[in-house]
Amino acid sequence: GAVVSQHPSWVICKSGTSVKIECRSLDFQATTMFWYRQFPKQSLMLMATSNEGSKATYEQGVEKDKFLINHASLTLSTLTVTSAHPEDSSFYICSARESLYEQYFGPGTRLTVT
Amino acid sequence: AQSVSQHNHHVILSEAASLELGCNYSYGGTVNLFWYVQYPGQHLQLLLKYFSGDPLVKGIKGFEAEFIKSKFSFNLRKPSVQWSDTAEYFCAVVKAAGNKLTFGGGTRVLVKP
Repeated sequence: GAVVSQHPSWVICKSGTSVKIECRSLDFQATTMFWYRQFPKQSLMLMATSNEGSKATYEQGVEKDKFLINHASLTLSTLTVTSAHPEDSSFYICSARESLYEQYFGPGTRLTVT
Repeated sequence: AQSVSQHNHHVILSEAASLELGCNYSYGGTVNLFWYVQYPGQHLQLLLKYFSGDPLVKGIKGFEAEFIKSKFSFNLRKPSVQWSDTAEYFCAVVKAAGNKLTFGGGTRVLVKP
């Protein structure tokens, strides 16, 4: 099956700094990628939809200026958490869409802000 | 807005027992339905999906799910579970004309050896 990677898998940063998370589709081209956030023992919440070459579409309640998304190529999307705070600590998961409805998920990135 | 409900948050059962996880969604139009599994420390994997046709869908690892349109349900079943089925299971729905998956809250399944 299609493979999606994320880097880093785990990152610890200090409050006020920015962190970039990469999401790559390794063996297919993804015109659309999605970014999710998963809180402990909870489900995945969609943050934004990322389309190659255009601006991301953010879900209601997600701060665009805080969670910067760039989808510069068909195989790479990045999520930058700017001026991170402890409440941004979470598990961030990306997915890439290969066909119309089939999404493949990355392994996730655990962000801890101290 | 559409929503997805998984009524069982935690399920504990013994090996060889049968498993059924409930999933109900709220959207009245045409939908596509998915079950994903997340094994401990691993990423989400697709178990099975329903787009159209036979409402009884067979997936990987012996899982199956039945779409009952009148009940807005897509319950997941496995006749005989194994210890390796210990995982978290997520039901997800997308509108037929849309591209956003809406996930249920997940069900943690623990299979005792």
